[in-house]
Amino acid sequence: AIQIIQSPSSLSASVGDRVTITCRTSQGVTNDLGWYQQKPGQAPKLLIYKVSSLKSGVSSRFSGSGSGTDFRLTISSLRPEDFATYYCVQDHDLWTFGQGTKVEI
Amino acid sequence: QLQLQESGPGLVKPSETLSLICTVSGDSLTSSSYFWGWVRQPPGKGLEWIGSIYSNNGDTYYNPSLKSRVAISLDTSWSQFSLKVRSVTAADTAIYYCARDIEGNAPFDSWGQGTLVTVSS
Repeated sequence: AIQIIQSPSSLSASVGDRVTITCRTSQGVTNDLGWYQQKPGQAPKLLIYKVSSLKSGVSSRFSGSGSGTDFRLTISSLRPEDFATYYCVQDHDLWTFGQGTKVEI
Repeated sequence: QLQLQESGPGLVKPSETLSLICTVSGDSLTSSSYFWGWVRQPPGKGLEWIGSIYSNNGDTYYNPSLKSRVAISLDTSWSQFSLKVRSVTAADTAIYYCARDIEGNAPFDSWGQGTLVTVSS
């Protein structure tokens, strides 16, 4: 099974900061990598799929990049509503989620 | 608009079987190439994929760590799919989500609100 290491597990940031979260997969997943945002008491919300495709309705502050085994989610300028937990997922071979990154003020 | 809704007991005794249903509205379970899946989240912890079922032929795919205890099935006549987890322990206490994955496109793009299942005597 494909494993994912997501880092950092948490980070502190301020409104307006640029934030980057990374996921490394144990083997290549081509472009089968997505990112979610989850707020307390809510289901995860898909932000990005296929490494860099923004889901309709999602702010362009969010962007994804990477290839092979190394991937990144970048939030260009943090807004108050972006403080949440973020997860990556691979669906190249079954499905695996990263451990999550909590973005705190 | 697609909606998914989980339902089932909120409390299950250790060693018994956890059974949940996901009711889908706004789309057909078999109208396109979808995977219908289950994901769980222990309180305060991360997401864990449990398993998925393919709409076109009913093939099932399970997390290797849970495969021996899990079964997912489709009931197209009721527009539902279900999850069963046998021989549960306290470690199976979690919020259980059902979700849709579009084959070859977006992983789990639509989710139910989730239902908390507690395993306790």
